[in-house]
Amino acid sequence: SQTIHQWPATLVQPVGSPLSLECTVEGTSNPNLYWYRQAAGRGLQLLFYSVGIGQISSEVPQNLSASRPQDRQFILSSKKLLLSDSGFYLCAWSLDPKGEKLFFGSGTQLSVL
Amino acid sequence: GENVEQHPSTLSVQEGDSAVIKCTYSDSASNYFPWYKQELGKGPQLIIDIRSNVGEKKDQRIAVTLNKTAKHFSLHITETQPEDSAVYFCASGGSSGSRLTFGEGTQLTVNP
Repeated sequence: SQTIHQWPATLVQPVGSPLSLECTVEGTSNPNLYWYRQAAGRGLQLLFYSVGIGQISSEVPQNLSASRPQDRQFILSSKKLLLSDSGFYLCAWSLDPKGEKLFFGSGTQLSVL
Repeated sequence: GENVEQHPSTLSVQEGDSAVIKCTYSDSASNYFPWYKQELGKGPQLIIDIRSNVGEKKDQRIAVTLNKTAKHFSLHITETQPEDSAVYFCASGGSSGSRLTFGEGTQLTVNP
């Protein structure tokens, strides 16, 4: 069966520090991968998606970037965190290129202080 | 782009009662409507979905209805239980070139 791993579960970082969140998927090949952000009490905002290795599409211009160095690995990064980057970050995968039937990881709660 | 509105933002019911959450969408080309359940500190989990060629779909105590003409769809939970307490998200998608657009979520609380 397929599983998705996301770490760390919680992270507290000072403003201006770098960020690296990692997500890996097991049990499937060539998944479509997604990074979402969820602000407190709000819905899910799509940040990036990838349909293959090295292919990244950005939905919202911001202080973050994403990379896909391997088929089942998706990384969210920032060179310098802002206070507004705080939130709950979710990685997800789907076999459908339109992002239907998403399977989410357990999320990373990021607090930028 | 697509806009999804979800109501209510919070809903409190007594155990055994029914709960209804409603969503409206703006893109008439959308044809896929999933519902996700998010428990505290976890990622959302798909609980039921419906496509535009179907008006209603049921899975045990949960059902989803779709009105394409009015562009709204609803989640119905019957015989609610405390473990149904969670945040529920609707979403809309399936139109060409677009990804899922999520509603803002509904915090459902089922009181024992």
